[in-house]
Amino acid sequence: DTEVTQTPKHLVMGMTNKKSLKCEQHMGHRAMYWYKQKAKKPPELMFVYSYEKLSINESVPSRFSPECPNSSLLNLHLHALQPEDSALYLCASSQAGLYQETQYFGPGTRLLVL
Amino acid sequence: QKEVEQDPGPLSVPEGAIVSLNCTYSNSAFQYFMWYRQYSRKGPELLMYTYSSGNKEDGRFTAQVDKSSKYISLFIRDSQPSDSATYLCAMSARGNEKLTFGTGTRLTIIP
Repeated sequence: DTEVTQTPKHLVMGMTNKKSLKCEQHMGHRAMYWYKQKAKKPPELMFVYSYEKLSINESVPSRFSPECPNSSLLNLHLHALQPEDSALYLCASSQAGLYQETQYFGPGTRLLVL
Repeated sequence: QKEVEQDPGPLSVPEGAIVSLNCTYSNSAFQYFMWYRQYSRKGPELLMYTYSSGNKEDGRFTAQVDKSSKYISLFIRDSQPSDSATYLCAMSARGNEKLTFGTGTRLTIIP
């Protein structure tokens, strides 16, 4: 099973709303990732969690707040977003550490900020 | 210069043709090489994964890595309309959690 699931599939929110994106995997992977993808562009890395600890933050604005409650779950909390934050948000997972290999992506959450 | 270069296309070929997709890279530390297929408005799907140099075949797909030339390729034989998608190359160094992507090549297979 190489499945990463994400909810919701679509999300529309206003600039004053607070919402959360959820990601789940049951492959025993200990590294999980959030990416942002704009149309016709490759995914851009936002955050990496390794063994439930934040290991990489690619200088993401504080209106995006990641959380890793356990080894299978990853959340992205959204607050006071801007219209330019509208994008496909992708979660991925992989083995962690020295033997990190390939990453498996979820289907994404398509976010529209009005 | 970008770390990974990939021709964005678009590339259109007739059904049944052999497709060749390529990426070049500049970072000699890269050891893991991946090809992802992404259909419109969906997440990337892992197609092929190769460690270091060499070839790997899976059905109609063959991935090649030439580390001496810093060049990777994906070949699709007997292309089908369902192969129409954007193909992203990606690579990483061992122990490095960061994937570096190419810009993606948009491929259309014409029936």
